[in-house]
Amino acid sequence: AQKITQTQPGMFVQEKEAVTLDCTYDTSDPSYGLFWYKQPSSGEMIFLIYQGSYDQQNATEGRYSLNFQKARKSANLVISASQLGDSAMYFCAMREGREGSTLGRLYFGRGTQLTVWP
Amino acid sequence: DTGVSQNPRHKITKRGQNVTFRCDPISEHNRLYWYRQTLGQGPEFLTYFQNEAQLEKSRLLSDRFSAERPKGSFSTLEIQRTEQGDSAMYLCASSLYGTNTEAFFGQGTRLTVV
Repeated sequence: AQKITQTQPGMFVQEKEAVTLDCTYDTSDPSYGLFWYKQPSSGEMIFLIYQGSYDQQNATEGRYSLNFQKARKSANLVISASQLGDSAMYFCAMREGREGSTLGRLYFGRGTQLTVWP
Repeated sequence: DTGVSQNPRHKITKRGQNVTFRCDPISEHNRLYWYRQTLGQGPEFLTYFQNEAQLEKSRLLSDRFSAERPKGSFSTLEIQRTEQGDSAMYLCASSLYGTNTEAFFGQGTRLTVV
């Protein structure tokens, strides 16, 4: 089974509007972390936001927020007030295990290509 | 620039040749990861180090692949007898063990095997 599922290959949003990128995950480990990365055409993976499985509140970082619904195993990224520079590929990722465990790998989804139009 | 650095950025090689990539992590980071990304896919984990110890290897890492981090600083990824299926972007990332922070990625090395 896929650890991370991103069902939206592409999304379009008008500048200044909000957009939600979907992500569901699958793990039996009670401790895990969820990440969102942005990958522009240049190729570098840019960290956006992190949510720990025990965090009580949804994570926010500037215009990015993570809608964490633990029972549904979903971790959707919300980008408010989209900008043209937000056009990129967005990846959801998960790390299993407690912080500091030897489990270090990230599992990535297939990504969602976001296009922001003026 | 104190980010993760990867060299070369691009590599074109003939099938059957050996190639080696280098990754310089953020200096205080003790964990270093290698991922491979093919077109239209998310990165796939290959291996990671904590200091100089290689703690985990993916089954994707065939015998033709070897990674080292001899002094716990930079790392190299070598692919022997390259095949066309090895064509991909190879990404390196680093993080600090014991924190809940993210992994920082380099810009990757794009390998093309012809």
